[in-house]
Amino acid sequence: DIQMTQSPPSLSASLGDKVTITCQASQNINKYIAWYQQKPGKAPRLLIRYTSTLESGTPSRFSGSGSGRDYSFSISNVESEDIASYYCLQYDNLPYTFGAGTKLELK
Amino acid sequence: EVQLQQSGAELVRPGTSVKLSCKVSGDTITAYYMHFVKQRPGQGLEWIGRIDPEDDSTKYAEKFKNKATLTADTSSNTAYLKLSSLTSEDTATYFCTTGGYVMDAWGQGASVTVSS
Repeated sequence: DIQMTQSPPSLSASLGDKVTITCQASQNINKYIAWYQQKPGKAPRLLIRYTSTLESGTPSRFSGSGSGRDYSFSISNVESEDIASYYCLQYDNLPYTFGAGTKLELK
Repeated sequence: EVQLQQSGAELVRPGTSVKLSCKVSGDTITAYYMHFVKQRPGQGLEWIGRIDPEDDSTKYAEKFKNKATLTADTSSNTAYLKLSSLTSEDTATYFCTTGGYVMDAWGQGASVTVSS
């Protein structure tokens, strides 16, 4: 199984900051990584697929990049509505695997 | 737009089984794979497995192979997750989720509490 090492586990940011989350796969995942946002008590919401393709409705302050084993997800100009947990998902190989998650909090 | 409606919260006894449902609207269930994801209280997301409702083929994460069973009923456009031999470790919210290669539509989640 492919392991996804996501860091950091938590982030503290001020409004307007830029934050970056990384996920490293245990093997090449050919850019098949997605990023989800989850707010308490809610289902995850897909923000980005295939490394950098924004879903319809995803604000342009969100972005993704990477290749091979190493990927990153950024939020530029953090807004209050971005306070949530974020997860990466590799869907290159079965079984699909999630990163452990990053909790974004306001400083 | 695909929408997924899951069954309600369950309180179940240890050692028993529970079957959760996930009804698809807005498309036929055979259009995409249906996945199920587990989330324990305060914890992250775990992929349980997926079913192809077109041919009922399934794939499970190793740790769920003897725990979870996925089925689908095309006549009712509904997928099911059965969890067996329940323990406290199965107390969690279970999500159904679908899409193409990546899951982009999610149910609201079904809470399962295992307690005597």
